[in-house]
Amino acid sequence: AQTVTQSQPEMSVQEAETVTLSCTYDTSESDYYLFWYKQPPSRQMILVIRQEAYKQQNATENRFSVNFQKAAKSFSLKISDSQLGDAAMYFCAYEVMNRDDKIIFGKGTRLHILP
Amino acid sequence: SAVISQKPSRDICQRGTSLTIQCQVDSQVTMMFWYRQQPGQSLTLIATANQGSEATYESGFVIDKFPISRPNLTFSTLTVSNMSPEDSSIYLCSVGPGQGAGETQYFGPGTRLLVL
Repeated sequence: AQTVTQSQPEMSVQEAETVTLSCTYDTSESDYYLFWYKQPPSRQMILVIRQEAYKQQNATENRFSVNFQKAAKSFSLKISDSQLGDAAMYFCAYEVMNRDDKIIFGKGTRLHILP
Repeated sequence: SAVISQKPSRDICQRGTSLTIQCQVDSQVTMMFWYRQQPGQSLTLIATANQGSEATYESGFVIDKFPISRPNLTFSTLTVSNMSPEDSSIYLCSVGPGQGAGETQYFGPGTRLLVL
């Protein structure tokens, strides 16, 4: 069964610093997608970044980038130049490609930004 | 993108009663999903609601407890029936192509439910 594990329930980072959130997953599939979603206190889930497993190049979106290690089944999120608005729950998620399976979410990491 | 609204945004209910949550999307979508997010936990899929067919429920969730309607391509409701304190959660609806397309899911703001 596919699982997504986020081993850090909470993290804190100083404003303007860089922080890395960890995510590992377990799957026997070779083609899949990985996502990081952000859920601020407003509860609105927002897609931060996504990665296709067949792509070797790590995805980047402005201050957000991932370190995708397919062999190690690791998908960490790096947030550079942290801002107060980055404070939120971050969920790692997995979806099998081209199959009508549900998306699997990790338990989340709550990120605090210290001014 | 899709803009999703949910009603109510929050409610406090008595044990044994039922609550119907509405989800409205600003565009026509095929796949709508209902999730439960228990306090401090991740999102758990309750069911997938496709227009014109019966909802598909995940393991551990049954239609009698969580009946779903999907009358058209922009609207769905989830009812939490015969509530108990264990049903206190945030309930979110989302839309997206699903089916392994790898596209983003768009989520509603959620309904925070407290059952006394």
